[in-house]
Parts: sequence; structure tokens; C-alpha cells
Amino acid sequence: DVVMTQSPLSLPVTLGQPASISCRSSQSLVHSDGATYLNWFQQRPGQSPRRLLYKVSNRDSGVPDRFSGSGSGTDFTLKISRVEAEDVGVYYCMQGTHWPPDTFGQGTKLEIK
Amino acid sequence: QVQLVQSGAEVKKPGASVKVSCKASGYTFISYGITWVRQAPGQGLEWMGWISGHNDDTQYAQKIQGRVTMTKDTSTGTAYMELRSLRSDDTAVYYCARGGDAITSYGYWGQGTLVTVSS
Repeated sequence: DVVMTQSPLSLPVTLGQPASISCRSSQSLVHSDGATYLNWFQQRPGQSPRRLLYKVSNRDSGVPDRFSGSGSGTDFTLKISRVEAEDVGVYYCMQGTHWPPDTFGQGTKLEIK
Repeated sequence: QVQLVQSGAEVKKPGASVKVSCKASGYTFISYGITWVRQAPGQGLEWMGWISGHNDDTQYAQKIQGRVTMTKDTSTGTAYMELRSLRSDDTAVYYCARGGDAITSYGYWGQGTLVTVSS
């Protein structure tokens, strides 16, 4: 199975400041069809996960444009341009290229400093 | 609007079985599969498996293969996940999520079902 490794695991951020989460995969996430199936999820306290981005950089409907995704191959990044209070929660990357199984990173807990 | 509504919390003894349901609405049920993901207390997300919406194809995580069965009832638009021979480390919140292609999969989630395994 593909191992997804996130860093940092804890991310204290001041309101209004940027935040960045790294996600690395144990093998390339480029599919034979040429696409890269890397998703990012947000899980607010007490809630179900919510998908933010799919195929590396495509924002889901309703996701603020302060969230962006980038990367290729085995290295990916989620960036929040200016952190707001509602962004508190745990963020997960997940690969779907080498399915089954889909595999998730360990999660990065974002908190307000 | 798309909704996935799961059954309520369960408390089970070690060795017992649990069956969690996920009722879909707001879309054509057979057009999308259902994925099951679980989350142990304070832990991350773990993919459990997937069932196709239009046939009986399934895929299961190796870790639980042999103890899990995913089924569905297309007449009611409901998917089921049964886990047998429960252990304490099966205590978790179990989520269903809509499957599909890269654009549609994981776009909708159920509210989660807490399964507690305790003697």
C-alpha cells in the first residue's frame, strides 16, 4: 500500500497568517491515465470529513479560494493564504491513484496560536 | 440535495457483529458506489472498503478482509457494512461516503456511526 506522510502533525497559526501542510507519498501518484489522484480533506471538531481539493488542486464547490493545492509526483502541499478561525481542525491528504486501498496521511492538526 | 444518513450508535461485546446502514438520497443510487471509512478515537482516517452502486463488486482492506461484508439494497438506496468478530480496536466512528470518479468520490459523507466494542 502507498504510505502517505504529512508534516507537520501539529500546526499552530496566528489568525490572518498563512499555513502550509506537506504530504509525501511512498511512490509516485501519477496514474497510468496521466492524472494524479490526490485529495485534501478538512475535519472540523466533531464533524465528518469534508473534501476541499481533488486531483491535487481542484477546489470543491463552496471551498474558499484561500485554500490551494499544488505538487506533483510524490510531493504535495496544501496552503491556506490567511488562516481564519473556522479553519481549525485536522487536515488529511489521501491518494486514490493506487486503489485499492485509498490511503490517508496521519492528519495535521491546525490550531490558532 | 445529496444526503447520506447513517444508523445510530451501537454498543457491542467482543466477538459480536455489527451492521451499519447508510441511506442515500438526492441522487441516482446505482450511479455511484459507496466507500466506508473508519476513525478510531483520536486517530486518523482508515479506508475500509467500497461497494459498487450498479453491481455486486466490492473491495475490502486487507486488514479486515474476512470479517467485513458490504452490501446494498438498491430498492431503498441503502448501503450496509457488517463487521464480525468485533474486537476492542474496532471501536471507532464509521463513515460512509459517496464513491464515483475523481471528481465525485468523497464529495458527500454520512454523519458517522459510533461503534463501541466493550465487555
